[in-house]
Amino acid sequence: GESVGLHLPTLSVQEGDNSIINCAYSNSASDYFIWYKQESGKGPQFIIDIRSNMDKRQGQRVTVLLNKTVKHLSLQIAATQPGDSAVYFCAETYMEYGNKLVFGAGTILRVKS
Amino acid sequence: GAVVSQHPSRVICKSGTSVKIECRSLDFQATTMFWYRQFPKKSLMLMATSNEGSKATYEQGVEKDKFLINHASLTLSTLTVTSAHPEDSSFYICSASEQGDNQPQHFGDGTRLSIL
Repeated sequence: GESVGLHLPTLSVQEGDNSIINCAYSNSASDYFIWYKQESGKGPQFIIDIRSNMDKRQGQRVTVLLNKTVKHLSLQIAATQPGDSAVYFCAETYMEYGNKLVFGAGTILRVKS
Repeated sequence: GAVVSQHPSRVICKSGTSVKIECRSLDFQATTMFWYRQFPKKSLMLMATSNEGSKATYEQGVEKDKFLINHASLTLSTLTVTSAHPEDSSFYICSASEQGDNQPQHFGDGTRLSIL
């Protein structure tokens, strides 16, 4: 389940299940979106990106969905593994913003074995 | 490809010391690099944009005299925290992207700065 409040939202899933991490972005002008994975003590690691002229993009075990109408982005991880446990951030940007990224708050993914 | 290296990974020093952090793009050239600060269990906060051969541009509320940025080559940007104090303790992360439109930023592994 998810918990919100003073702490980062947490998603707990059983190993082997699919995970869906959601992100609401703020700027309707944003035209490029990226998902990052951050493990403890490390920098964010690129997972997948999507441009605003697409609504779905698939990678290896991951899928990103973009709904511009409601400014919503999601990351789906298939067959979640213990190594997927990390904090996941969505980020948005647009060209006129100099490609500066605006990060979402982050979601902790915990995979139970 | 697109590897960003950051050094040092951890610094512990006394209050009043100035600390320099290096960010290198190892296998590509980066005219622009970015510096972020991250507090525990929080998201990344952009501090400044480092521009090769010109002055850095700082986000609102970030003291440019406290956080000096130099981007002297296409593969190296440095962040110097001047006269650091305990409140400057944080996780500092840099990023860079390959040239071209809609290129993702790739991040270094961060520097944990602890000021005693």
